[in-house]
Amino acid sequence: DIQTTQSPSSLSASVGERVTITCRASENIGNSLAWYQQRPGKGPKLLVCAASSLESGVPSRFSGRGYGTEFSLTISSLQPDDLATYYCQQYKNGWTFGQGTKLEIK
Amino acid sequence: EVQLLESGGGLEQPGGSLRLSCVASGFTVSSYGMSWLRQAPGKGLEWVSAINGGRTYYADSVKGRFTISRDNSKNTVYLQMNSLRVEDTAKYFCAKEAGDHSYGTNWGQGALVTVSS
Repeated sequence: DIQTTQSPSSLSASVGERVTITCRASENIGNSLAWYQQRPGKGPKLLVCAASSLESGVPSRFSGRGYGTEFSLTISSLQPDDLATYYCQQYKNGWTFGQGTKLEIK
Repeated sequence: EVQLLESGGGLEQPGGSLRLSCVASGFTVSSYGMSWLRQAPGKGLEWVSAINGGRTYYADSVKGRFTISRDNSKNTVYLQMNSLRVEDTAKYFCAKEAGDHSYGTNWGQGALVTVSS
């Protein structure tokens, strides 16, 4: 099975700050990676697919990059609405998710 | 607008059964792959099962106990859960897949399943 490892597990940042979450796959997955946002009590929301393709309607402050085994999700200017847990997911072989990054606003 | 609404969760004893339903609107379930995933309390996401065309897929942890099915006339996907275990306790989500079981484009709000004596 392909493992995905996210870091950090939690993060506290101020409004306006730039935030980056990383995701590492245990083997080469090309660009078969998605990022999701999950607000408390809600289902996940797709932000990015194919490692860097922003889903329609997602604010442009979100961006994804990476290929192979190393990936990242960046929020260029953190907003209060971004309070959530973020997950990466590989879909090269089955579906496996990172452990999540809980983002808090200072 | 795509919407997914799960129902059927609740409290069940170990060894018991539950059936979850996922009613879809805004698209036709027969035209897309659909998955069930779960999230144990305070934990991350785990894929459970998928249906795509006439084929079904299961995680090893539920194989032989859970069955996914679809009723096209009701635009609904089901997850029949038998021989429930304490470790099946989780919120269960259904998701509409992008092509080729790639990722979940839309997710429901989830249904809570608690297995306890």
